[in-house]
Amino acid sequence: VIWMTQSPSLLSASTGDRVTISCRMSQGISSYLAWYQQKPGKAPELLIYAASTLQSGVPSRFSGSGSGTDFTLTISCLQSEDFATYYCQQYYSFPWTFGQGTKVEIK
Amino acid sequence: EVQLVESGGGLVQPGGSLRLSCAASGFTFSSYDMHWVRQATGKGLEWVSAIGTAGDTYYPGSVKGRFTISRENAKNSLYLQMNSLRAGDTAVYYCARGGDIPSWGQGTMVTVSS
Repeated sequence: VIWMTQSPSLLSASTGDRVTISCRMSQGISSYLAWYQQKPGKAPELLIYAASTLQSGVPSRFSGSGSGTDFTLTISCLQSEDFATYYCQQYYSFPWTFGQGTKVEIK
Repeated sequence: EVQLVESGGGLVQPGGSLRLSCAASGFTFSSYDMHWVRQATGKGLEWVSAIGTAGDTYYPGSVKGRFTISRENAKNSLYLQMNSLRAGDTAVYYCARGGDIPSWGQGTMVTVSS
């Protein structure tokens, strides 16, 4: 099983801020990492796959980086609609595993 | 466009059974591994099962022996048979496609309560 550590668990920020969320793996996963945004009562929405590829329709203020064991999601200029919970996921091997989630709240 | 539509959720008593279905479209279903992932209210995401293209199956210890994943490629359908259900199985269950770009459905709610 590949374990994941996502940090921070809670992030307080203001509109216009640049924010970063980290995900660290217990072993290398190449670039088989996805980032999701989830709002209350909704399914997770794919933001980034293959560590750094933006899903179609996702604003360019979202970006992903990293490979191997350390990955980062960056939101360059936080907008009101970005306040949500974010999860990382590895799909390099079974079982899929997920980060614990980062809630981005209004400061 | 990839579409995954889950159905079959509902209220069931502890010890009961439920069968979830997932109808897939927009891709060659038989070419992808498929997964079930669940999320209890206010909690994180938990992988529940997977089935490979050859029909090989995988489960975490929490559901092994109680849940069975299966697929019917001719019908582009994925299933999850859940037996001996417990209160702790209460969650939204998502169907998901593997491969280079994971894709998810909108989920179906399963409530285990007397």
